[in-house]
Amino acid sequence: DAGITQSPRHKVTETGTPVTLRCHQTENHRYMYWYRQDPGHGLRLIHYSYGVKDTDKGEVSDGYSVSRSKTEDFLLTLESATSSQTSVYFCASESSRPGANVLTFGAGSRLTVL
Amino acid sequence: EDQVTQSPEALRLQEGESSSLNCSYTVSGLRGLFWYRQDPGKGPEFLFTLYSAGEEKEKERLKATLTKKESFLHITAPKPEDSATYLCAVQAGRAGGTSYGKLTFGQGTILTVHP
Repeated sequence: DAGITQSPRHKVTETGTPVTLRCHQTENHRYMYWYRQDPGHGLRLIHYSYGVKDTDKGEVSDGYSVSRSKTEDFLLTLESATSSQTSVYFCASESSRPGANVLTFGAGSRLTVL
Repeated sequence: EDQVTQSPEALRLQEGESSSLNCSYTVSGLRGLFWYRQDPGKGPEFLFTLYSAGEEKEKERLKATLTKKESFLHITAPKPEDSATYLCAVQAGRAGGTSYGKLTFGQGTILTVHP
C-alpha cells in the first residue's frame, strides 16, 4: 500500500484565516487528489494533480487552491476559511502504471472553521 | 453528469445473516466501478474494481457484481468486523483515456453487524 500521510489530522480555526493541509506520499505516484467528505454528500473532488506543477480543478474547487512542487507533496490551501469549509479532507494518490488505477487514501484531516 | 446512488443508507444485520448492498449509476462511459470500505475515523480502503458488465470479484465474505446500470456488494455470513461504511464510486471515460482517478462517489451504506 502507498504510504500517505496527512497533516494536521485535526485543526480548529476561525473564519477568515488561511489554512494549509499537507499530503505526503512515499510511493512515487504520479497522480494525487484532494477530496472532502460531508454528511449527505459523500466524497467530492476538490483539486487533483497529474504531475509536478500540473494541477486542475475538481467538482468543488471554489475557495481552494493547491500546489505540487515535488512528486511526493500535495498542498491544499484555504485562502480565507469559511464555515462551509468545515469538513473532513482526504488526500489520495494513484499510480500511473496501466491497470493500477486504484486510489489509495490518507487517514484524513478534520477541519473545523468557527 | 455522472451520478451514483447507494441503497440502503444503513443496514443492520445479525451475524451470519447474508445480504446485499446496491449501487446504481449513470455515467458517460464507464471506465471502472470501485468499491471501498471506510472505518470510522479512517480513509477509504480499496476493495474491488469492476470494468465490464457481467464481471464478478470476491474477497473473503464479499462478492461484487456489475451490470450496465448497477453493482451489488453481496455479503455472505457477515461478522461484526465487517461493520463499516461501504462506498461505491465510478470513473468515467474509456480504457486508456485520461480520466485519472476522478471518481464520483455515492453517499455510502453504513453496515452494522450485530453478534
